[in-house]
Amino acid sequence: QSALTQPASVSGSPGQSITISCTGTSSDVGGYNYVSWYQQHPGKAPKLMIYDVSNRPSGVSNRFSGSKSGNTASLTISGLQAEDEADYYCSSYTSSSTPVFGGGTKLTVL
Amino acid sequence: QVQLVESGGGVVQPGRSLRLSCAASGFTFSSYGMHWVRQAPGKGLEWVAVIWYDGSNKYYADSVKGRFTISRDNSKNTLYLQMNSLRAEDTAVYYCAGEVIAVGAFDIWGQGTMVTVSS
Repeated sequence: QSALTQPASVSGSPGQSITISCTGTSSDVGGYNYVSWYQQHPGKAPKLMIYDVSNRPSGVSNRFSGSKSGNTASLTISGLQAEDEADYYCSSYTSSSTPVFGGGTKLTVL
Repeated sequence: QVQLVESGGGVVQPGRSLRLSCAASGFTFSSYGMHWVRQAPGKGLEWVAVIWYDGSNKYYADSVKGRFTISRDNSKNTLYLQMNSLRAEDTAVYYCAGEVIAVGAFDIWGQGTMVTVSS
């Protein structure tokens, strides 16, 4: 399975909104509503932010939202805060009954 | 509280073996699929292996197939990763992760254990 495609970096100013894309194929992102998003701060374990395309686990801010169109999923962070600066990874269930991750996106809060 | 704690990492020579363990607590370990995910220094996340809740099915990434074996002991609430024929490219932080909240969603993570393959 090839990794899902994410932009290497995105940036935004405090209070703004940013969107991170995650592009796959009909065998993963496009074929299942099992897309997840993870936040990872340096030296820390990843944290689940979105699952099943658009659902937020308990405790995750409603500033984080997810969506999907065709083979591309997106994570939107609104009201950007300094603490949102981190690496973000998407993942998707695949037709091989295994998951695949995206290459990761570094979010910089200016 | 819900927790996963990995152990067993270290420095090992190429071609040698290592076994990682992941102790679970705070949730019904025997009811959920468990995964190993690794992250090479400065790189992204790479899924390694999954084992179903009852151990009936196991899947591996192509990069480790035939060399790594995932297993679990539900009586001990512990997940394992036996790593044989280790290569320099296996150097990474290895995380165990639980697929509890939904299919394909890793909502429980350990702190990670570092494996360094070097002569």
